Amino acid sequence: QQQVKQSPQSLIVQKGGIPIINCAYENTAFDYFPWYQQFPGKGPALLIAIRPDVSEKKEGRFTISFNKSAKQFSLHIMDSQPGDSATYFCAATRGSGNTGKLIFGQGTTLQVKP
Amino acid sequence: NAGVTQTPKFQVLKTGQSMTLQCAQDMNHEYMSWYRQDPGMGLRLIHYSVGAGITDQGEVPNGYNVSRSTTEDFPLRLLSAAPSQTSVYFCASKTTGVNEQFFGPGTRLTVL
Repeated sequence: QQQVKQSPQSLIVQKGGIPIINCAYENTAFDYFPWYQQFPGKGPALLIAIRPDVSEKKEGRFTISFNKSAKQFSLHIMDSQPGDSATYFCAATRGSGNTGKLIFGQGTTLQVKP
Repeated sequence: NAGVTQTPKFQVLKTGQSMTLQCAQDMNHEYMSWYRQDPGMGLRLIHYSVGAGITDQGEVPNGYNVSRSTTEDFPLRLLSAAPSQTSVYFCASKTTGVNEQFFGPGTRLTVL
């Protein structure tokens, strides 16, 4: 049972484009939604995160949009660069429970062409 | 700080062999966890610990054992390796009250 569904599986954009990665969750008890970035041969690293009390969060070129009623959230990368080429994972957890048990999406491999 | 370290980086086992994947963190984090990463599956939680002496099962615990005798270390044991355990394993840690988890560099395990 996949509690967090992520799409697309892969994405290719030109430099400067705006790739969008989408995630949907099922458990309404989730209250912390992070995005992780992973480069080949490395561990995932936190990129940006959001809580359900806000609809959007921006950090630099990265933006999370959150739709609580639809139980969906998405990552937008503005002015994408070849250095953004990586695998991106959305995740969800009950942050208030503080056990940190992350439920991950399936991952999206992004390639930004020069 | 070295952060979260994992050893070995690569390992090849034969079916039925046992081994321990090591994980250590020097950030005095209370919470540590093990995930496995498989293509198309994302990362799935194997076991986690909220402090020394306390462990619990995650989403895919079968075939794996853990223990937490110190705050710093959280080893993952495979008692009898199976080809289905071929995967990349990541250890992560976080501190109480903060949601961000820090991941190690991973161990790539192949079971023949």
